[in-house]
Amino acid sequence: DAKTTQPPSMDCAEGRAANLPCNHSTISGNEYVYWYRQIHSQGPQYIIHGLKNNETNEMASLIITEDRKSSTLILPHATLRDTAVYYCIVRVGGSSNTGKLIFGQGTTLQVKP
Amino acid sequence: EAQVTQNPRYLITVTGKKLTVTCSQNMNHEYMSWYRQDPGLGLRQIYYSMNVEVTDKGDVPEGYKVSRKEKRNFPLILESPSPNQTSLYFCASSYYGQPQHFGDGTRLSIL
Repeated sequence: DAKTTQPPSMDCAEGRAANLPCNHSTISGNEYVYWYRQIHSQGPQYIIHGLKNNETNEMASLIITEDRKSSTLILPHATLRDTAVYYCIVRVGGSSNTGKLIFGQGTTLQVKP
Repeated sequence: EAQVTQNPRYLITVTGKKLTVTCSQNMNHEYMSWYRQDPGLGLRQIYYSMNVEVTDKGDVPEGYKVSRKEKRNFPLILESPSPNQTSLYFCASSYYGQPQHFGDGTRLSIL
């Protein structure tokens, strides 16, 4: 699975959009970009994933560049409860893989009042 | 409500005393996995299971056992726990290739 690079920390004002970048320059054509977050020491929570196209769900939007070498997770209106460590993970899709998720150090997002 | 349930949530025990951490999911997922999380090392996979009676080692399986006799349950067994197994443990489940759902974690302290 391709390696990802994320900034170690970011701040965001409550109510503003939080934009979390991720670089994955060695991504392969069959690898998806996944985002999870971990609030304090709770279990990681799935947010969103995508292959090529931009994706949006009730939690966030995922913007993937055309060359797929980087992506941005957007939380449109950050709240204090969005303070967490955000992990960008690249992995092969489909049923043949071991399902292993390689969590790096992630980005610690601090949402401030 | 769809969930992955781990028990116990917290446990303090002593070296060598066998223990089992249970994991149960109610989503009929084929895939289940155990991770441990340690400061500076992130989450690392211990064992995983692709279906009933099918288990395989992850990156850090030493000192652990698992079993998958039923689809919903995937217990983690520490036959002879040691202090280096003090950690935060997470169970996860999913359909094949789909995003994983994680439990709330089990914090183990082995003295």
